[in-house]
Amino acid sequence: DTGVSQDPRHKITKRGQNVTFRCDPISEHNRLYWYRQTLGQGPEFLTYFQNEAQLEKSRLLSDRFSAERPKGSFSTLEIQRTEQGDSAMYLCASSANRDRGVGETQYFGPGTRLLVL
Amino acid sequence: DQQVKQNSPSLRVQEGRISILNCDYTNSMFDYFLWYKKYPAEGPTFLISISSIKDKNEDGRFTVFLNKSAKHLSLHIVPSQPGDSAVYFCAASAGNQFYFGTGTSLTVIP
Repeated sequence: DTGVSQDPRHKITKRGQNVTFRCDPISEHNRLYWYRQTLGQGPEFLTYFQNEAQLEKSRLLSDRFSAERPKGSFSTLEIQRTEQGDSAMYLCASSANRDRGVGETQYFGPGTRLLVL
Repeated sequence: DQQVKQNSPSLRVQEGRISILNCDYTNSMFDYFLWYKKYPAEGPTFLISISSIKDKNEDGRFTVFLNKSAKHLSLHIVPSQPGDSAVYFCAASAGNQFYFGTGTSLTVIP
């Protein structure tokens, strides 16, 4: 299977602990996105990488959140000092460069469901 | 602010009939629109897309219509099948950011 993979699929942690999630994009995709989804909402943009460069960050991404994509392949999203409000599904998506006249389609991984107790 | 809205949280349709899912947006700079389907405990799966230079795109049982003047798009599924039961998200993009609606839960009744 060459789709987007995420690890772990589920994470339960206590408030105040740090957690790290990993995303492996589709191998030929140079763009990688992180989203957060809470119950009853659509995915909300967190941050975006083109290759190894983090090009955009949402205001949702507080200073407790950090994302990296070393070498432009897999990416990690770390949340420090987790809070109960961080409980959500964290989705990763990847895409290839947007061709002129053709839109960019993002392909999502299965997500990591985080529960902060 | 919610730039992409799906005002119907749920929809029930009889098998074999047409399902119509609606989506409205506010940002006239959006130039690419997508529909995703999501099953529980899975990530969204890409379904169909449309560029703003078109008003219709068809793929098998799925057709997306775009009305730019009304800032409205819709997804038609015909005929609907029980396996289509899922949450459907519309998304819109301008540049590198994608904005998603809150989803419509479709139930196709056998």
